[in-house]
Amino acid sequence: EVHLLESGGDLVQPGGSLRLSCVGSKYTFSSFAMAWVRQAPGKAPEWVSFVESGGLYPYYTDAVRGRFTTSRDNSKNTLFLQMDSLRVEDTAIYYCAVMTRGVSVGCQFDYWGQGTRVTVSS
Amino acid sequence: DIVLTQSPPTVSLSPGERATLSCRASQNVASTLNWYQQKVGQPPRLLIFDTSNRAPDIPARFSGSGSGTDFTLTISSLEPEDFAVYYCQLRSHRPPFGGGTVVEIK
Repeated sequence: EVHLLESGGDLVQPGGSLRLSCVGSKYTFSSFAMAWVRQAPGKAPEWVSFVESGGLYPYYTDAVRGRFTTSRDNSKNTLFLQMDSLRVEDTAIYYCAVMTRGVSVGCQFDYWGQGTRVTVSS
Repeated sequence: DIVLTQSPPTVSLSPGERATLSCRASQNVASTLNWYQQKVGQPPRLLIFDTSNRAPDIPARFSGSGSGTDFTLTISSLEPEDFAVYYCQLRSHRPPFGGGTVVEIK
């Protein structure tokens, strides 16, 4: 069964940076597109970014474009989210998710990790 | 951008009862509608994709229907483990989620 493990969440001040990681196991990581989805306390999930299997052409929601960078290292089965210029409104649990149908048909989040908590506060 | 509106926000039911959850899109989205279940302290789990297709290992008591702008998730007979929050989501390149419906024990 697909297993995803996120890490890197922390308490950070506004304007700070964090780098999240997501390690995938028990499936062929390099074959599938991946996404980051976040969920603020008491709110619905919100898609953040996705990247195709090869790591090219990451795509971002408007709220994070220019501040966040998604990348992946398929040799290490790892997805990354570099988060810069963090804002209070970025506070959320960040999940990584597998997109088994790829990116061309739009986003379907088939498998999710347990998430890592990011808190942006002074 | 397309907006998804779920109703009701909360529904109170007893085990064994039927649950009917609604998701309305602000414009025609054909059949590109997914449903997720989220229990407290857990990530969302994909239940239904493309309106009516159950994801792997999802029990047959979960079913989806609809097209265009109006979609329904039905749980035919609620089990204790089904009390959770349910979200709809549009399968698109800018994929919105609905606001969720809480299915709580009456």
